[in-house]
Amino acid sequence: SQQGEEDPQALSIQEGENATMNCSYKTSINNLQWYRQNSGRGLVHLILIRSNEREKHSGRLRVTLDTSKKSSSLLITASRAADTASYFCATGTNTGNQFYFGTGTSLTVIP
Amino acid sequence: DTAVSQTPKYLVTQMGNDKSIKCEQNLGHDTMYWYKQDSKKFLKIMFSYNNKELIINETVPNRFSPKSPDKAHLNLHINSLELGDSAVYFCASSNTGANSPLHFGNGTRLTVT
Repeated sequence: SQQGEEDPQALSIQEGENATMNCSYKTSINNLQWYRQNSGRGLVHLILIRSNEREKHSGRLRVTLDTSKKSSSLLITASRAADTASYFCATGTNTGNQFYFGTGTSLTVIP
Repeated sequence: DTAVSQTPKYLVTQMGNDKSIKCEQNLGHDTMYWYKQDSKKFLKIMFSYNNKELIINETVPNRFSPKSPDKAHLNLHINSLELGDSAVYFCASSNTGANSPLHFGNGTRLTVT
């Protein structure tokens, strides 16, 4: 399938620690995006990395992409309680606006 | 100002009924989507419209019918509701283009009893 698959399914860390989430996918992509979903809310776009990029930073977020392994990782540094949410990767295809999501990683940051 | 708004937020109904969910975006985007999120949080694309034209129609029962009266609105009508239709339905919008991120509404939680 074209969907991304996040790993781990759940992650619990102490405030101040770093959190790493991984995403694997199966088909060729144009880009890969990470989203955050707070409980009871819609998804919010965090960062997009194109298929010809290997690493991207945005504030405390660092995303890597390895197209040879069809995988990506999202690193959140110096985590805060407010980072508690589910994180999803989505793969974008070359044929236009088609985005396929997985089941997400549920991150809990303990104050 | 809400960018992507969906109504209603909650919808509880009985099997066999017909219901609609409405979505509006004020971002000037020309592409809109419906996604279904199940109890395991798996998010599955259902439909996508670009400038009122259907461009993605994933394997979805034909009881589900999207309608886009203009590029700022995308509604979802569901006929003969079934228990398995219970889920959270999200509307989203984006600009045209493979690198345009999605902007989501806050979802409609549909419960079929």
